[in-house]
Amino acid sequence: DTGVSQNPRHKITKRGQNVTFRCDPISEHNRLYWYRQTLGQGPEFLTYFQNEAQLEKSRLLSDRFSAERPKGSFSTLEIQRTEQGDSAMYLCASSLTETGNSPLHFGNGTRLTVT
Amino acid sequence: AQTVTQSQPEMSVQEAETVTLSCTYDTSESDYYLFWYKQPPSRQMILVIRQEAYKQQNATENRFSVNFQKAAKSFSLKISDSQLGDAAMYFCAYRSPTGGGADGLTFGKGTHLIIQP
Repeated sequence: DTGVSQNPRHKITKRGQNVTFRCDPISEHNRLYWYRQTLGQGPEFLTYFQNEAQLEKSRLLSDRFSAERPKGSFSTLEIQRTEQGDSAMYLCASSLTETGNSPLHFGNGTRLTVT
Repeated sequence: AQTVTQSQPEMSVQEAETVTLSCTYDTSESDYYLFWYKQPPSRQMILVIRQEAYKQQNATENRFSVNFQKAAKSFSLKISDSQLGDAAMYFCAYRSPTGGGADGLTFGKGTHLIIQP
């Protein structure tokens, strides 16, 4: 179990640029989640995948955000035309089963700063 | 939609003492799961303890235990013999039985725990 891996750890970009983050879940986990966490707040759900299928998206996920999970393995989260309000920590998590008792395993996150 | 409330933005405790972090939640479901996660500074979030709502017995993991009061919708975390390594943000989280999506894991705003040496 190598844990959930996220890259890059930090990303600084100028407003209007596009950015892409990558998440490698624990290999046997079929569920993958993306969360956003701003300073002083708990993580907020963005979207999740069951294998390669994106099953739900939060209202927080504007049209500028897109996530993919090709082949049900790693996932990418792209933000187009970044805005200063997008500055946050983006967390990825994965879980093994569909039951609610299966805990989420989180990665270290990608901290995005939009200048 | 479920909500999770952590009313203590910050707590401080002397090393080796006991501290209790509060969490309340609101739900119309009868079956669900509750979690406490720990997030040290600049480090990943890790699971501390979990509780199934259908179990009356409070969960315990070494120095960590919970006081689960289903009728009151309360889920507090007790840390005994506090250690310097316990310093972190602690998040209470609720998860519905289906475990998916926005109904999957709802977090509180967190409690910043400070350990005084």
